[in-house]
Amino acid sequence: DGGITQSPKYLFRKEGQNVTLSCEQNLNHDAMYWYRQDPGQGLRLIYYSQIVNDFQKGDIAEGYSVSREKKESFPLTVTSAQKNPTAFYLCASTQTGESYEQYFGPGTRLTVT
Amino acid sequence: GQQLNQSPQSMFIQEGEDVSMNCTSSSIFNTWLWYKQDPGEGPVLLIALYKAGELTSNGRLTAQFGITRKDSFLNISASIPSDVGIYFCAGGNSGGGADGLTFGKGTHLIIQP
Repeated sequence: DGGITQSPKYLFRKEGQNVTLSCEQNLNHDAMYWYRQDPGQGLRLIYYSQIVNDFQKGDIAEGYSVSREKKESFPLTVTSAQKNPTAFYLCASTQTGESYEQYFGPGTRLTVT
Repeated sequence: GQQLNQSPQSMFIQEGEDVSMNCTSSSIFNTWLWYKQDPGEGPVLLIALYKAGELTSNGRLTAQFGITRKDSFLNISASIPSDVGIYFCAGGNSGGGADGLTFGKGTHLIIQP
């Protein structure tokens, strides 16, 4: 089955620790995205990547970092510099040049205490 | 950044009723997408609209791309319990969606038995 996987589903960390969220897709999509979702809010774009070894900051990139070493993988690191890291994180992908239709993974809920 | 105003914020309806929600923006979008999100899951794409004035159906769902390109609405006919969830509109206006989508804050649909 083609799709996007995110792991783990739930993640707990202590304040001050960096944590990396995984996102893998086997849809052969070029572009991948990371969004953050807070209760009662829409999705806010953290980072996106249109091609391997290239990525751009979204609206709320501060305190986050990404890498895109492989087409199918786009991990997100939440650093200790992120002031309010507890949130639901969603990864998405799309085939650039064809449509805007982004397909989402199941999400990772990160709780930092 | 751009913002979408999605309304209503929440809806309490009886099973079998029709539902209508909409999104408006001060900016023009080239595409409008509607997603549904179940609790703790990633959004699922329902309908994609690419042409001003376009009216598209997907089963009991109907969505329209406003003529001004600044709004869109989603109707659900004869609601059933599995329609419960959060519905998001999203607008895109960059080539191939590479820059991500702008999301509304969602309409929370609650169906009373």
